Amino acid sequence: AQSVSQHNHHVILSEAASLELGCNYSYGGTVNLFWYVQYPGQHLQLLLKYFSGDPLVKGIKGFEAEFIKSKFSFNLRKPSVQWSDTAEYFCAVSSGSSNTGKLIFGQGTTLQVKP
Amino acid sequence: EPEVTQTPSHQVTQMGQEVILRCVPISNHLYFYWYRQILGQKVEFLVSFYNNEISEKSEIFDDQFSVERPDGSNFTLKIRSTKLEDSAMYFCASSEITGQSSPLHFGNGTRLTVT
Repeated sequence: AQSVSQHNHHVILSEAASLELGCNYSYGGTVNLFWYVQYPGQHLQLLLKYFSGDPLVKGIKGFEAEFIKSKFSFNLRKPSVQWSDTAEYFCAVSSGSSNTGKLIFGQGTTLQVKP
Repeated sequence: EPEVTQTPSHQVTQMGQEVILRCVPISNHLYFYWYRQILGQKVEFLVSFYNNEISEKSEIFDDQFSVERPDGSNFTLKIRSTKLEDSAMYFCASSEITGQSSPLHFGNGTRLTVT
């Protein structure tokens, strides 16, 4: 069965610090990978996605993620965080062969950026 | 930007009561989903719906749950006889198509509290 694991549950950073949130997945076949963000009081929004091609994908607001197939990882990075990046971040995976759009989520990482 | 809207934002109900959570997906979207997140746990897939029928459902989605698209705009989740463990945040999502080019768009969620 597919599963997603996010290693950091709660991260506290100061503004301008670099960010890396870990995400590992368990699935034997082709996968699509996603990072979603949920700002306080708002809905889940797509940050970036990987389907195929260049394993380094760039998303909105300066975020990027790198797919490392050998490590089953899809870590999220940002070189310099801002206070407005305070939010909860979810890694998710779907089967590349599925036609139902079902996502499997990690447990989420709460990022708190101190001004 | 078009949004998925969910009502109500918070629903309190007594154990054993029926509850209907409502969602208005984005108008040109064809695929609809319900997810839920129990406090402190992962966002979990419940069901996907396309062409007026369920395309996939999880083990959580037992006979107590049903979904319906009663008209051209609403997508509802009904829980027939609520249990304490149904207390969670329920997210509706929609996508234009499945697969690579159409990510899920989520609503703000309905917080269901069963007492």
